Amino acid sequence: QQQVKQSPQSLIVQKGGISIINCAYENTAFDYFPWYQQFPGKGPALLIAIRPDVSEKKEGRFTISFNKSAKQFSLHIMDSQPGDSATYFCAAKVGYALNFGKGTSLLVTP
Amino acid sequence: GAGVSQSPSNKVTEKGKDVELRCDPISGHTALYWYRQSLGQGLEFLIYFQGNSAPDKSGLPSDRFSAERTGGSVSTLTIQRTQQEDSAVYLCASSLQGAKGEQYFGPGTRLTVT
Repeated sequence: QQQVKQSPQSLIVQKGGISIINCAYENTAFDYFPWYQQFPGKGPALLIAIRPDVSEKKEGRFTISFNKSAKQFSLHIMDSQPGDSATYFCAAKVGYALNFGKGTSLLVTP
Repeated sequence: GAGVSQSPSNKVTEKGKDVELRCDPISGHTALYWYRQSLGQGLEFLIYFQGNSAPDKSGLPSDRFSAERTGGSVSTLTIQRTQQEDSAVYLCASSLQGAKGEQYFGPGTRLTVT
């Protein structure tokens, strides 16, 4: 049973545009929501994370928006660059195990 | 500083053989995790260690899978009698503050069972 649903599966954005990836969850006990970035042949790298007591967190060009009542959260990448082309995973955790979405393959075209 | 390291980076084995995958966590990190990444199943949690103890082994796919951690540091994931469905990338992660800490992943071991 997929506890975190992620969309879209793939995304193409022009350089300078905004990339938006969405995730939804069911388990209201989740208390930590990270996003990971993964390049081919590498392990996932922690990008940014949020806890449910805030609705938004921004780090540089990356922003998480969190809607507790809707049980949804999203990643916004502002001024997307070709170097941002990677697979992005959302995740949710209560306790120790991260529950991952299926991933979004982002391609930023020049 | 050094991140999580895993070895080997690639492993090709024949069906029925046993394999051992190694993880060296970030120095000082008390918690260690194993995940599996496959095309069909995405990223799946396998097992968590706090120190040398694994309080929950329910994520291991079958009794052919086992893991241990010694000295609160290095961990080994062992797969016995490998099957083709075991082919995947096995990822290790570690965190500083136990289960509540941010998890940092290694590069993974790509296992191919022929």
